[in-house]
Amino acid sequence: AQSVTQPDIHITVSEGASLELRCNYSYGATPYLFWYVQSPGQGLQLLLKYFSGDTLVQGIKGFEAEFKRSQSSFNLRKPSVHWSDAAEYFCAVPPSSASKIIFGSGTRLSIRP
Amino acid sequence: DAGVTQSPTHLIKTRGQQVTLRCSPKSGHDTVSWYQQALGQGPQFIFQYYEEEERQRGNFPDRFSGHQFPNYSSELNVNALLLGDSALYLCASSLGQHTGELFFGEGSRLTVL
Repeated sequence: AQSVTQPDIHITVSEGASLELRCNYSYGATPYLFWYVQSPGQGLQLLLKYFSGDTLVQGIKGFEAEFKRSQSSFNLRKPSVHWSDAAEYFCAVPPSSASKIIFGSGTRLSIRP
Repeated sequence: DAGVTQSPTHLIKTRGQQVTLRCSPKSGHDTVSWYQQALGQGPQFIFQYYEEEERQRGNFPDRFSGHQFPNYSSELNVNALLLGDSALYLCASSLGQHTGELFFGEGSRLTVL
């Protein structure tokens, strides 16, 4: 069965530092992959998506992610974080039917002033 | 352009009661999916409605049911509430069934006492 794993439950980085959030997936074929962000008390917002083609995808708010088939990973990166980036981040993959989304358990990002 | 709206935002029920949650999709969207997000967890897929029919269902009991209306809005009903049903219930809309680009509402937080 398809699944997605986010190994880091909570990460704290200093404002202005770089960020990388890990995501590993289990999927038979080339997957569609997504990163969503959830600010406190809010719903989820799509940050970026990978369907095919260039393995480095750009998203909103200065985020990017790289699809690495050999490592079954789709890690999220940002060169310099801002205090407003503090939120919960979810990696997600739709199974073959693509009519539902399976979310990882999330990584909570805290920003140190 | 109104996004996804959900009501009520918060509600408290007791065990055994029934609850109805409502969702209006983003303008132009025809598909509504419902997710349950327990505290500290990622969203779990409940079901998806398209053309007024349930198209796919996650691993939730029959106590969870739904409906989609001709204007694409949707309801989630939960009968015989259990303490474990306490969660944030998220509605997501999309254009078409097979897309991972979901637009989420801010959710309805249900507390079961």
